[in-house]
Amino acid sequence: SQTIHQWPATLVQPVGSPLSLECTVEGTSNPNLYWYRQAAGRGLQLLFYSVGIGQISSEVPQNLSASRPQDRQFILSSKKLLLSDSGFYLCAWDQGYTFGSGTRLTVV
Amino acid sequence: AQTVTQSQPEMSVQEAETVTLSCTYDTSESDYYLFWYKQPPSRQMILVIRQEAYKQQNATENRFSVNFQKAAKSFSLKISDSQLGDAAMYFCAYRPITGTASKLTFGTGTRLQVTL
Repeated sequence: SQTIHQWPATLVQPVGSPLSLECTVEGTSNPNLYWYRQAAGRGLQLLFYSVGIGQISSEVPQNLSASRPQDRQFILSSKKLLLSDSGFYLCAWDQGYTFGSGTRLTVV
Repeated sequence: AQTVTQSQPEMSVQEAETVTLSCTYDTSESDYYLFWYKQPPSRQMILVIRQEAYKQQNATENRFSVNFQKAAKSFSLKISDSQLGDAAMYFCAYRPITGTASKLTFGTGTRLQVTL
């Protein structure tokens, strides 16, 4: 079966600390993968997408970056978190447009 | 650029009644997909229903149905026989068919309350 995993579920990080969120998919090959962010009470905003290993497209200039080191792995990173990076981060896979369970990030 | 508008920030419906959530969108494409997603308090995004623009027939999934008006660029969601478990945020989303990646554009959402 095809599934998407995302972790951690919750994260509290101090300002200026690094970030690494991971998303993996199972049961498919060469998926298109996406990172979305949802600010409190708002809709989802596309941050990055990837159509293959090493291929990253950025939708919004920001303090974050993404990488695709393996076919079924998509990582969201930051070298130094800002308060404005707080939010709910969702990974998605466009086979049936399935979302992961999300990561609630609070930067303090 | 494509935009999706949900003009109802909040809606309320009584249990067992019917409610309709509105969505309009703007695009110059002729073929595309439209979606309704449900986001309960857990914040998991759950696909409720999907409509292909080239299909004239409105999509239906059990108690959920859509009224797709392509010329008017309108895509409303009807929930029949509302249940307490239907209480959630509902997001309308648009996705083009062409292009390398299938990026979704979301509306700002409608919070649905279900009362006894």
